[in-house]
Amino acid sequence: GAGVSQSPSNKVTEKGKDVELRCDPISGHTALYWYRQSLGQGLEFLIYFQGNSAPDKSGLPSDRFSAERTGGSVSTLTIQRTQQEDSAVYLCASSPTSGGAKTQYFGPGTRLLVL
Amino acid sequence: GQQLNQSPQSMFIQEGEDVSMNCTSSSIFNTWLWYKQDPGEGPVLLIALYKAGELTSNGRLTAQFGITRKDSFLNISASIPSDVGIYFCAGLSGATNKLIFGTGTLLAVQP
Repeated sequence: GAGVSQSPSNKVTEKGKDVELRCDPISGHTALYWYRQSLGQGLEFLIYFQGNSAPDKSGLPSDRFSAERTGGSVSTLTIQRTQQEDSAVYLCASSPTSGGAKTQYFGPGTRLLVL
Repeated sequence: GQQLNQSPQSMFIQEGEDVSMNCTSSSIFNTWLWYKQDPGEGPVLLIALYKAGELTSNGRLTAQFGITRKDSFLNISASIPSDVGIYFCAGLSGATNKLIFGTGTLLAVQP
């Protein structure tokens, strides 16, 4: 399929462990966004990439959260020393350009549970 | 983080009924969007609104962009069971076009 893919689909980890979440955007999409959806909440913006750079990191909740993007394609969201409040669905979206919300396509998400 | 106020939180209706949900913000947005999220999936865009006062339809869906640019509503006519899901409004924010989402409306349709 040509859509946004994310892995793993589900992740259960113990408090204090580090986790890495992966996003494979649609080929050729230059813009990439990470969002978090906590139980009973709407989606919250985390970070935006244009190419390999991240001009907007304003949504990252703490310095335990970081993300990188390589080759203008795959992105990895890393959460260090996970806490129970990090449990959520982490969604990735990609877009051909930075303009035009009509073209922001979402992946299925990674469901993270921190025990 | 910033969120839009969306109501109602949930709706339980009979098949064939019409549905209305709305979204308000304390901030102005130049673009309003409505998404639907099915279980285990990411949100899918239903309707995008670009101009204040704009009324746009997509099949049984109709959405309007408030003239103050601080609110929007979504109507679904003649609901069917596959309309079940969570509906989110979203505003497009800033030069990076990040989405600011509403709190969601859970729609349940009884056949």
